[in-house]
Amino acid sequence: GAVVSQHPSWVICKSGTSVKIECRSLDFQATTMFWYRQFPKQSLMLMATSNEGSKATYEQGVEKDKFLINHASLTLSTLTVTSAHPEDSSFYICSARKGALSGYTFGSGTRLTVV
Amino acid sequence: GDSVTQMEGPVTLSEEAFLTINCTYTATGYPSLFWYVQYPGEGLQLLLKATKADDKGSNKGFEATYRKETTSFHLEKGSVQVSDSAVYFCALSLNSGGSNYKLTFGKGTLLTVNP
Repeated sequence: GAVVSQHPSWVICKSGTSVKIECRSLDFQATTMFWYRQFPKQSLMLMATSNEGSKATYEQGVEKDKFLINHASLTLSTLTVTSAHPEDSSFYICSARKGALSGYTFGSGTRLTVV
Repeated sequence: GDSVTQMEGPVTLSEEAFLTINCTYTATGYPSLFWYVQYPGEGLQLLLKATKADDKGSNKGFEATYRKETTSFHLEKGSVQVSDSAVYFCALSLNSGGSNYKLTFGKGTLLTVNP
């Protein structure tokens, strides 16, 4: 199958600090990964598309300098929430697609709580 | 723009009841359609998909048929179980206009099945 591992599954950080979330495709190469944010009882909102070897493509309204995305290899993308504030507390989920005819595989998500 | 509208929940059913969750879409091209399921505290799992008109996706007793004429992809199951309790998301994917295969989600429908 296609497996995506996301780490950590939950993190609590102090306001003003930065947090890095990793997304790895374990058994396939993913030139493109996606980062979503999910608010309680709401749908997933696409934040950005992470492209291996190039800059991420951010959705309208998403702060590029706050949510830093790096796609350093074909199996790893990272999302860094910089200078986190309580309003950044949310559930962040990554996904990747194995190929053009494949469905999307999602990570298990990261629950970020900023105190 | 592309969008997905699914019936609002929550939906509460008794075990062995029939389930329908409605989903309609708006898209500029010919999308692929998906149903994802999210169990409490977890990421999303692909439940089923259909890539062209009249295709029927099925998995674990769930079915959905891609209806181009009504732009719908309703999810059905003949007899639900307690273990089906989760949030269900309808989604579409288009690879046109630089969309880069990104998924557009509906708001999700919370299903609770009681014994």
